[in-house]
Amino acid sequence: EAGVAQSPRYKIIEKRQSVAFWCNPISGHATLYWYQQILGQGPKLLIQFQNNGVVDDSQLPKDRFSAERLKGVDSTLKIQPAKLEDSAVYLCASSLRRGVEPGAGANVLTFGAGSRLTVL
Amino acid sequence: QQQVKQSPQSLIVQKGGISIINCAYENTAFDYFPWYQQFPGKGPALLIAIRPDVSEKKEGRFTISFNKSAKQFSLHIMDSQPGDSATYFCAARFISNFGNEKLTFGTGTRLTIIP
Repeated sequence: EAGVAQSPRYKIIEKRQSVAFWCNPISGHATLYWYQQILGQGPKLLIQFQNNGVVDDSQLPKDRFSAERLKGVDSTLKIQPAKLEDSAVYLCASSLRRGVEPGAGANVLTFGAGSRLTVL
Repeated sequence: QQQVKQSPQSLIVQKGGISIINCAYENTAFDYFPWYQQFPGKGPALLIAIRPDVSEKKEGRFTISFNKSAKQFSLHIMDSQPGDSATYFCAARFISNFGNEKLTFGTGTRLTIIP
């Protein structure tokens, strides 16, 4: 099975410029996540989609970040305008379903390789 | 309360030794505790996971020990090999009232196995 595809792998921009990242999840996976991983930290959830609807965007800086998943498959994450502190790896992940019963096994997330953003 | 604290930040272990990474949490609503392994240039991948009603889970050379009363859990890698050199993240899962699953990750431990 093909993995989660992300592009571009690397992007260098100057502050106040804009950037967009693309993600193609595993075929059939209904849930898609965007995580931000700052150097030396664990991944932090930015936004979660169930098909083409937003389930959780509570940690998305909405004044500069936006994301869409129009047809319930591919997704795009945009940053406009970028700040120095946005330098990070942006990870896309997908899973088969949205959630599970408490105490049940994992709804396994499969991560892509990430898009590394450097803001100068 | 949603934090997961992980230590150490980095760890160097000799080949064949035991690597131990520790995590602690506060939120008793967390109900599932996975560990992820991340190699340079790759995304994290699920390694092993445990539920809080179990005190230990073993898969090959990897073991999770879970102490519910202390709200701590740890990853033990037995007979550590150079191929185990990677960054390891503990995580904790919270399920919202809407049935939405949310993972909180620790800060990561960079493990280096030396010959």
